[in-house]
Amino acid sequence: QVRLQQWGAGLLKPSETLSLTCAVFGGSFSENYWSWIRQPPGKGLEWIGEVNYSGSTSYKSSLKGRVSISVDTSKNQFSLRLSSVTAADTAVYYCARGRREFGGIIAMALTYYYHMDVWGKGTTVTVSS
Amino acid sequence: DIQMTQSPSTVSASVGDRVTITCRASESVISWLAWYQQKPGKAPKLLIYKASTLESGVPSRFSGSGSGTEFTLTITSLQPDDFATYYCQQYKSNYSFGQGTKLQIK
Repeated sequence: QVRLQQWGAGLLKPSETLSLTCAVFGGSFSENYWSWIRQPPGKGLEWIGEVNYSGSTSYKSSLKGRVSISVDTSKNQFSLRLSSVTAADTAVYYCARGRREFGGIIAMALTYYYHMDVWGKGTTVTVSS
Repeated sequence: DIQMTQSPSTVSASVGDRVTITCRASESVISWLAWYQQKPGKAPKLLIYKASTLESGVPSRFSGSGSGTEFTLTITSLQPDDFATYYCQQYKSNYSFGQGTKLQIK
């Protein structure tokens, strides 16, 4: 049974850096991708970015330049840093596992897709002066 | 970025009803689409992936269909526990979510 446990500072001032960490218990850390998603109060879900075992990352285009996701394979953990936060970054932040699915052979290469099947419980982050 | 649009935004139904939620993608996502259920104060729960594959442990009254740009989530014989908000998500190219559909009691 895979479980994700997340933690980090819940109250930030504008211009500070948000920092959250998610620990993975159980399952394969190397086969999957690991994502961060956020949800502003009363609104929908927004994907922030992902990282894999080797440290390869992908980010939502509108957040590039402010966001960084890293991995610590020795601890089966991954982390989110979001710089220069404003009130618009106030949200519940979730970590999630992207579980690998075989997508076929495309251009002679094995292709995989990753759907989010296990989520952390969420961390509320408030940005206020 | 691929845009996902759900309809309706809100649907009212009664226990025992059948409900259908639609999700449209701005470009083809083939079948790389998931559906999630979220209750207040909780993390989303995966219901369906690859457009129509039921996640383990999810009741069979939930079903998904579609491919390309149009997808549906159907819940037959609504149960009290089903009243929640539902999101579609494409995972063909990075990830993007629909805006959500709130299923409320009539």
